Amino acid sequence: AQRVTQPEKLLSVFKGAPVELKCNYSYSGSPELFWYVQYSRQRLQLLLRHISRESIKGFTADLNKGETSFHLKKPFAQEEDSAMYYCAKDNYGQNFVFGPGTRLSVLP
Amino acid sequence: DAGVIQSPRHEVTEMGQEVTLRCKPISGHNSLFWYRQTMMRGLELLIYFNNNVPIDDSGMPEDRFSAKMPNASFSTLKIQPSEPRDSAVYFCASSLLGKETQYFGPGTRLLVL
Repeated sequence: AQRVTQPEKLLSVFKGAPVELKCNYSYSGSPELFWYVQYSRQRLQLLLRHISRESIKGFTADLNKGETSFHLKKPFAQEEDSAMYYCAKDNYGQNFVFGPGTRLSVLP
Repeated sequence: DAGVIQSPRHEVTEMGQEVTLRCKPISGHNSLFWYRQTMMRGLELLIYFNNNVPIDDSGMPEDRFSAKMPNASFSTLKIQPSEPRDSAVYFCASSLLGKETQYFGPGTRLLVL
């Protein structure tokens, strides 16, 4: 079965500190990986996807096929980054498999 | 486009009652997904439809849950009878068939007392 794991349920960092949200996935050839974010009282929204190799709101994520990881990183966390972050994997274009989510709390 | 629309936004009901959640996907999208989010289990896919046809309902927790998509612009998720452990936020999402980006609705927060 396809799986996405996020080992940390809660991650707290101070403002200005680097942040890394971990994500690992089960191997499946050529995966499509995504990060979704849900801010308080807002709908779930796409943050970034590996295929576009973009940086959104200062966040980047590199797909490491050798380690089957897709960790989300930001060099300097901001308080407005506090949210729930979900790593997701496209399951052969049919549906998504989501990780359990990591709640990021950026402290002042 | 208003995006994916879900109703109601909040629902409080008593155990044993029937609950119906509604979803209107983005116009033109032909894949629709129902998810449940809880603190304990995170985001779980319950069922998804392609062109109004249910493709995979293996995530539906039990027979008390059912979902329909009578046409391309409307879907329902029904729980009958509801139980306190069904309390969660239920998300609907839609996408273009074969495209990976899903667009999520605001969710329905369900509380079963």
